[in-house]
Amino acid sequence: DAGVIQSPRHEVTEMGQEVTLRCKPISGHDYLFWYRQTMMRGLELLIYFNNNVPIDDSGMPEDRFSAKMPNASFSTLKIQPSEPRDSAVYFCASGSRGGANYGYTFGSGTRLTVV
Amino acid sequence: GESVGLHLPTLSVQEGDNSIINCAYSNSASDYFIWYKQESGKGPQFIIDIRSNMDKRQGQRVTVLLNKTVKHLSLQIAATQPGDSAVYFCAENTGNQFYFGTGTSLTVIP
Repeated sequence: DAGVIQSPRHEVTEMGQEVTLRCKPISGHDYLFWYRQTMMRGLELLIYFNNNVPIDDSGMPEDRFSAKMPNASFSTLKIQPSEPRDSAVYFCASGSRGGANYGYTFGSGTRLTVV
Repeated sequence: GESVGLHLPTLSVQEGDNSIINCAYSNSASDYFIWYKQESGKGPQFIIDIRSNMDKRQGQRVTVLLNKTVKHLSLQIAATQPGDSAVYFCAENTGNQFYFGTGTSLTVIP
């Protein structure tokens, strides 16, 4: 099992540009989570999906952020337009039964820098 | 809302000593807890879990203790090694979500 796969690993972009982060969850996991990690706020849940349907997006900072899960093996997190304060590490995680067994498996993250 | 907090943001221990990392949680309805380890440049990784019907669980060199009376969770690492240097998060499960603490940075001094 290759685990949760995220791409790109690093992204540097200019303010105002669109950024798309990608995630491939573990096959068979029915929950997918997007987290953002910063030194100031730690791990923040942005949004999560169950069976490809967004369940809770209350953590999405503002309308500039959007997430989709068109199928069970792929999800994207898009920021448009990006701002310097969006700089962070973005993690995707997947789990089964909401993490009731062994919690979530995290990807290696995408380090986003907006200049 | 739920909150999970750690008492010590940083911890330094000598190699070979035992480490104890503490965590307080606020939701008495939480029924499942996990400790995660996050090494530099990586995502959090599962270390050990415990359900609310237990008060202790042991793994390889790690032990998790759960005190539901005071809503406290601890992670004990025996014979701490340099490879244990990382940030450790506790997470509590309520419903279909985990809520993560702010993390404790463990540094092992050779």
